[in-house]
Amino acid sequence: QVQLVESGGGVIQPGGSLRLSCAASGFTFSVFDMHWVRQAPGKGLEWVAGIWFDGNNKYYADSVKGRFTISRDDSKNTLYLQMNSLRAEDTAVYYCAKDRTGGLNTYQDSWGQGTLVTVSS
Amino acid sequence: DIQMTQSPSSLSASVGDRVTITCRASQAISNYLAWYQQKPGKAPKLLIYAASTLQSGVPSRFRGSGAGTDFTLTISSLQPEDVATYYCQKYKSAPLTFGGGTKVEIK
Repeated sequence: QVQLVESGGGVIQPGGSLRLSCAASGFTFSVFDMHWVRQAPGKGLEWVAGIWFDGNNKYYADSVKGRFTISRDDSKNTLYLQMNSLRAEDTAVYYCAKDRTGGLNTYQDSWGQGTLVTVSS
Repeated sequence: DIQMTQSPSSLSASVGDRVTITCRASQAISNYLAWYQQKPGKAPKLLIYAASTLQSGVPSRFRGSGAGTDFTLTISSLQPEDVATYYCQKYKSAPLTFGGGTKVEIK
């Protein structure tokens, strides 16, 4: 069965950097688009970034554009989110999610359990 | 960018009641709409995609409808295990925006 396991969260000072990882298993990682979605404490879901199956197209929410970079390593079945210039408002649980297809930016049919990022001095 | 507006933000209903949640897009999105259920402390779970197609394994008391700008999620007979927050999401073109969520509680 599909399994997505996020790691890399923690406490980081404002202005700092952090890289999240998502280890995927149970499906052919290289043929599916992947996404990061976050949820601030007590708030709703916010789509953060998506990457096509072939890595050639990447999309970002305006709130993170220019600061966050999504990438993937199909040889390791791993999705990444490099987060730079972190702000207090980036504090959230970050979920890795698998898209239903490849190359079409559709809905997310499997989710990890999330990793908490806290930006605080 | 297209905005997604859900209503109500919360509701309380009795077991067995019919519950309706609405989601409105600021521009027409055809049927590129998904619904998710998130229980406290858990990751979201896909319920419905393409506005009205039930994801495998989801109980048939959940029904989605709508197209264009107006969409509805209906729970035909509310069960205790349906206590959760429900989100709509538009897809197909980035950003893949979520609605603000509707928290469903038992009265």
